[in-house]
Amino acid sequence: IAGITQAPTSQILAAGRRMTLRCTQDMRHNAMYWYRQDLGLGLRLIHYSNTAGTTGKGEVPDGYSVSRANTDDFPLTLASAVPSQTSVYFCASSDLGLAGSNTGELFFGEGSRLTVL
Amino acid sequence: QKEVEQNSGPLSVPEGAIASLNCTYSDRGSQSFFWYRQYSGKSPELIMFIYSNGDKEDGRFTAQLNKASQYVSLLIRDSQPSDSATYLCAVRRGFQKLVFGTGTRLLVSP
Repeated sequence: IAGITQAPTSQILAAGRRMTLRCTQDMRHNAMYWYRQDLGLGLRLIHYSNTAGTTGKGEVPDGYSVSRANTDDFPLTLASAVPSQTSVYFCASSDLGLAGSNTGELFFGEGSRLTVL
Repeated sequence: QKEVEQNSGPLSVPEGAIASLNCTYSDRGSQSFFWYRQYSGKSPELIMFIYSNGDKEDGRFTAQLNKASQYVSLLIRDSQPSDSATYLCAVRRGFQKLVFGTGTRLLVSP
């Protein structure tokens, strides 16, 4: 079982370029998330999706967009990358069943390290 | 005020000692509380969750929750060098928002 697969693992990108980080899960979880992790700031939620076809904004959504066309895929797009978007990006998923029916545990991908020059 | 606060550390303990990691949160409506462990260069993984006031034990790990004082702690008994990692406290409101603290780095020396 692969769990959550992120690609690319690492990328160096010129400022102003468009970039899509891919995320695929095989656990049939209904909810998916994108976090960025920066030293001293911890994990911050960028966007989330509670179910296929719906998305929502997290704590730091500016400069990012997401789509959720199906249950398994949740790509994150940087339309025009800026140096402040240099970070490690984690995709995660969880099973948001009925209240009390699950822990709400997040399962994380291995991360995508993005450097914007 | 940050929603979830942790001391960044590092917290240094000798092998075999008890490591005590603390976390405070600001939203009294928070419903569930999680401790994740993150090794350097790796992704976070869940080690404990707790919903109710009191203690919850799982092997060498004990999570403690005090909603009146708005803090949650993680105790690691018989600490091992393999426990050296960053421990992230996370707090959940509703279904869609899990808020993480910045993490406490734990160093267990042989």
